[in-house]
Parts: sequence; C-alpha cells; structure tokens
Amino acid sequence: NAGVTQTPKFRVLKTGQSMTLLCAQDMNHEYMYWYRQDPGMGLRLIHYSVGEGTTAKGEVPDGYNVSRLKKQNFLLGLESAAPSQTSVYFCASSLQGNTEAFFGQGTRLTVV
Amino acid sequence: AQSVAQPEDQVNVAEGNPLTVKCTYSVSGNPYLFWYVQYPNRGLQFLLKYITGDNLVKGSYGFEAEFNKSQTSFHLKKPSALVSDSALYFCAVRASGSARQLTFGSGTQLTVLP
Repeated sequence: NAGVTQTPKFRVLKTGQSMTLLCAQDMNHEYMYWYRQDPGMGLRLIHYSVGEGTTAKGEVPDGYNVSRLKKQNFLLGLESAAPSQTSVYFCASSLQGNTEAFFGQGTRLTVV
Repeated sequence: AQSVAQPEDQVNVAEGNPLTVKCTYSVSGNPYLFWYVQYPNRGLQFLLKYITGDNLVKGSYGFEAEFNKSQTSFHLKKPSALVSDSALYFCAVRASGSARQLTFGSGTQLTVLP
C-alpha cells in the first residue's frame, strides 16, 4: 500500500520556468490538498479538492494552478516560477472531512 | 476564517517528565481537531483527532489531547516524555459544516532532553 506518492522529490527551477508536481493516492480518498511549508510559517494551504473534477483555492493560491481529472491524482502547476515559491510542497489526502489526512514525503523545490 | 494558534515555537522537557504542547483554534461551528507529528525530512504523521464525544482523546505513541470548548483549546499531552518524541508538532482544525479546508498551526518544536 503506497499511500500518497509525490513526484518529483527534488527540483531546481530557473525563474520563469514552469513545472508540474504530481500527487497520487491509492486509498480511494475524496479529499486532496496541496500545502507549502516554510520555516516558522507552518503549512499553508495552496489548493484543495473535495472530489474528482473539483478544485478550490486555499490560503495562498496565487501563482499556482491545480487539476483533479482523476480521483487518484492531484496535480499542482507553477506557470512561471519565482524565487518566492522556493519551499517544501506537501500533498495530502483524506477519505472525508472528519477523517485524518495522509501526507506524501514532500517535494523540495528551489527557484533560482 | 478559521485559524489555529500554537503559541510556543519551542518546548523543552526532560526525559521522563510530562509534556504539553498548546493549541487554540478559531472556527465557525463545531470543530474537527487533529494533531500531527513531523520528523526531519519527512511528511506529517497523524497522531490523534477529536470529532465528537469524550473530550479526552487518546492517540498513537502514548499521546493524548483534551478538547476544551469554552477555552477553544486542544492541548497535546504525554505523561512521560521520551527522547524519541523530539519532533515538530502541528495542530490542525476543520469546521464540521460546509468549509472543507484543513488549517494548520505554525508548529511547535519539541525537544526532549536526556
């Protein structure tokens, strides 16, 4: 049982480049989330989804886009990377709103 | 908007002593409350949750938390700390109504001293 898998684990981008982070879960969860973690700021919600084909903005959505075309996958896109997007990105999923979330191992992104 | 406050960035405790990591929350309606732990270079791991019922919730690795509605708090506790408990702890909240967002606090670094 793989749980939540994030791809890639590390990435270095140049300012202005684009990329897509992939999150895959094999637990048939309805809810999926993308967070960024920065020192001293905890986890901040970027976007989330409550089911296949749905997405919603979180606390810090600017500069990011997401898609949930398949229930098991939640993609996070950076259209034009900026140094302020240097962070560790975590994907998570939960069965429903009152159940615990399961987290991936994280993606460390550096924008130079 | 819902929010979580963890007032202590750092908590130090001696091994064998009881530990408390504080959390207060703000949410419309009834809360769903969670505690997670993060070890270095790892994702978050679930410890325990409060949904409804008994205010004292028991979780993994001997941790427990007490839900206090009047004080809007959900403090994490353990009777006897271990060095291996040293990690970053996060409290999280979601409203039980229509809001779907899971909001995290800024985290508390727990260090258990041998």
